[in-house]
Amino acid sequence: RKEVEQDPGPFNVPEGATVAFNCTYSNSASQSFFWYRQDCRKEPKLLMSVYSSGNEDGRFTAQLNRASQYISLLIRDSKLSDSATYLCVVNRNDYKLSFGAGTTVTVRA
Amino acid sequence: SQTIHQWPATLVQPVGSPLSLECTVEGTSNPNLYWYRQAAGRGLQLLFYSVGIGQISSEVPQNLSASRPQDRQFILSSKKLLLSDSGFYLCAWTRVTNGYTFGSGTRLTVV
Repeated sequence: RKEVEQDPGPFNVPEGATVAFNCTYSNSASQSFFWYRQDCRKEPKLLMSVYSSGNEDGRFTAQLNRASQYISLLIRDSKLSDSATYLCVVNRNDYKLSFGAGTTVTVRA
Repeated sequence: SQTIHQWPATLVQPVGSPLSLECTVEGTSNPNLYWYRQAAGRGLQLLFYSVGIGQISSEVPQNLSASRPQDRQFILSSKKLLLSDSGFYLCAWTRVTNGYTFGSGTRLTVV
């Protein structure tokens, strides 16, 4: 079983729509969770950390469900600039993070 | 502020040739350093990580090696490249487990 699994998508949504997707992780001892954004042929960049109580950053909302071991990301009022691949990231131990293969989101005009 | 530099951005190398990719971090000391590889359409695979000078841990057996000759320098090497070594190589750093910051990456094509 992969450490972090994501629906690869793609999710094709019109501008202004809401899009949400999950990832699941296998290590119940994981303590740190993140969403990264990766544009085509670019390095991943931290989008937001995910906290136990859930957190928002503008149009982005992240949720963590420890019991079911999944993390979600919701994007409201999608913009064309939100088109990217979103990577779910979970810590393995103090030194290492595991990355999902990514969920591709395409926002169309 | 902290910055991470990685070069070159693009590299085309013949099979059997050597490889040396360099990564340096500025504005911090004693960072944890990482080398990842991303094959086309795939996730990031951790290759090596280092928690200090001369301390290298390898994640997967492979045709590559890593070294950390200075606190803020991390080098990825190979003596003889294989076609399967092609990919997008990313260096990253962190001080604590609070997310990584990645360099801009090296796109390696082995021909």
